[in-house]
Amino acid sequence: AQSVAQPEDQVNVAEGNPLTVKCTYSVSGNPYLFWYVQYPNRGLQFLLKYITGDNLVKGSYGFEAEFNKSQTSFHLKKPSALVSDSALYFCAVRDNGNSGYALNFGKGTSLLVTP
Amino acid sequence: EADIYQTPRYLVIGTGKKITLECSQTMGHDKMYWYQQDPGMELHLIHYSYGVNSTEKGDLSSESTVSRIRTEHFPLTLESARPSHTSQYLCASSTRNTGELFFGEGSRLTVL
Repeated sequence: AQSVAQPEDQVNVAEGNPLTVKCTYSVSGNPYLFWYVQYPNRGLQFLLKYITGDNLVKGSYGFEAEFNKSQTSFHLKKPSALVSDSALYFCAVRDNGNSGYALNFGKGTSLLVTP
Repeated sequence: EADIYQTPRYLVIGTGKKITLECSQTMGHDKMYWYQQDPGMELHLIHYSYGVNSTEKGDLSSESTVSRIRTEHFPLTLESARPSHTSQYLCASSTRNTGELFFGEGSRLTVL
């Protein structure tokens, strides 16, 4: 089955510093990879996706992610973190069609940006 | 901004009650999904639908049921709620062309 792993439960970063939230994937075939953000008591908001093409994907709110096939990784990055970026971040991979092309999510990483 | 709506946002009920969580989308998406998000944050797929009159169970076994009589509507029902059903339930929809799912704001259910 298609799956992703987020090795860090929490990431702490000072405001203004670059941030990275890690994600690795395990798939058969070509992966469709996604990042979502969740604020407290809210649903998930789509940030960006990789399907094909350029390995560096740019998304909403200044976030970007780099697809690395050799390392099977899809890390989320931002050059300069804001306090308002503090939230839960989920990496996801699209299922191959056995469940209506649902997304399989990682366990989530809590990002805390301190002033 | 995606147009997918969930009601109620918050619900506190007693054990044994029947509840229905509503989910509606105005985007004409054919596929719809229900995820359960436990307090540890992890999301689990519990139901999905390819379109009208299509409903399937997801990876996580759930005592809830769903229906898809209209494209825009995908309600989830619990016939007899128990404390173990306490969770956040997230509804989503998608089209195959884009791949991403669009989520509602969620329904947080507490069963006493």
